[in-house]
This record gives sequence, structure tokens and C-alpha cells, in this order.
Amino acid sequence: QVQLVQSGAEVKKPGASVKVSCKASGYTLTGYYMHWVRQAPGQGLEWMGWINPNHSGTNFAEKFQGRVTMTTDTSISTAYMELSRLRPDDTAVYYCARVIKKGTSWYYFDYWGQGTLVTVSS
Amino acid sequence: QSVLTQPPSVSGAPGQRVTISCTGSSSNIGAGYAVHWYQQLPGTAPKLLIFGDVNRPSGVPDRFSGSKSGTSASLAITGLQAEDEADYYCQSYDNNLEGVFGGGTKVTVL
Repeated sequence: QVQLVQSGAEVKKPGASVKVSCKASGYTLTGYYMHWVRQAPGQGLEWMGWINPNHSGTNFAEKFQGRVTMTTDTSISTAYMELSRLRPDDTAVYYCARVIKKGTSWYYFDYWGQGTLVTVSS
Repeated sequence: QSVLTQPPSVSGAPGQRVTISCTGSSSNIGAGYAVHWYQQLPGTAPKLLIFGDVNRPSGVPDRFSGSKSGTSASLAITGLQAEDEADYYCQSYDNNLEGVFGGGTKVTVL
């Protein structure tokens, strides 16, 4: 069965970087785009961006451009999201999510990782 | 501020019907992108509830139904049960090929 297993919680100081991993199993990583979504404490879901594991093409939400990097290592079926220049308001649970694309108008997330809490505090 | 607009909360007694609206614009829902819904229980990852406006994944009770018209969509829960108490999010795409979410709606079973 499909599973996305993420790395454990992180505590970082402002200005540092964090790299979250998402190991996929039960399917071929290159067959589906991987998206990253975050959720600040008590807040809603916020889309961050996606990566195409086939050719490493990416697309990021404007607010994260310049600070976020998304990569994959297909040899170990793992996707990564790195966020730099961390601020306290980056404190959130970060999710990876596999996207299903049907035609040109259906894009939805059928499997999600369990989430990784990143806390940014001095 | 979320791209899609949802009411912050809705409530209903067990057995009642509640609806959650999701309003977008001509660059996302109105551009023809499908709407999808997720249920999030406390402390857990979101779970796909409705995809492609009206479709339920296997295992989702038929008490949950979706609809879409123009730049808006709705999720209906009929025969509300205690286990339905959760946060619900709508999601679509926009012309920049970016995912967009609603701000979430907390459903309370009275």
C-alpha cells in the first residue's frame, strides 16, 4: 500500500535552515508529482509548491520563492523540502502529499505524509 | 488569508444536514479546475473526502456529497454523526498551476 513517511520533528533557531524528508513506498516516486503543504498551529493548510521527480522541475508559491528548495532522490524514493532563513512564523507542521492529476483540471492529494513539526525559536 | 473562502464554523445536531461553502474566483474554480475536499481530525494529516467535485474515494460514507457551480462549491454532510466533528478544507488549482486551499471549516456536532 502507498505510504509517505516523513522525518522527525525539528527545532531550529531563526535564520537557520531545515530539511524535511518524505520517503515514498508502495508506488514509483517518478510516477507522481510531490507537493508540500504546511499548517501553522491552529491555522489552515498552506500550499508551498511541487516537484516533478521525473526531471526535478519545480513550482513554488510566491511567498516561498528564494527560500525553499525541493529535491528528490529517486534511488531511495525520497523527496525533500528545505526551507532556509527560518523565522518564528515558519513554525508549522509540514506535509508532503502525492498529487493525482487527471486531464488538465483535476489535481488532488490522495496520500499525505504524517507531518513533520518544525519549531523555530531562539 | 486563504485563496478560497470557507465559513470558519458550522454546527448541527446528530442526524441533521450541514453544508460548507467554498468560494473561489475566475482564476481557480471558475477557470474550470475541480474542487476537492479533505477531512482533518485533530492531530492527524488531512484525508481525501471528495475528489473531482462530486466523487467519493472508496470507504468514504455516502453521507458526504459535493457539488460545484460557477466559482463556488459545497460539501454536504447528511445524517451528521459525532465522528464527523473535524476540520474540513476545500482545495483547487489556479491558472499559475498552484494549489489553493480554503481556510478550513470546523464542524461541531451539538
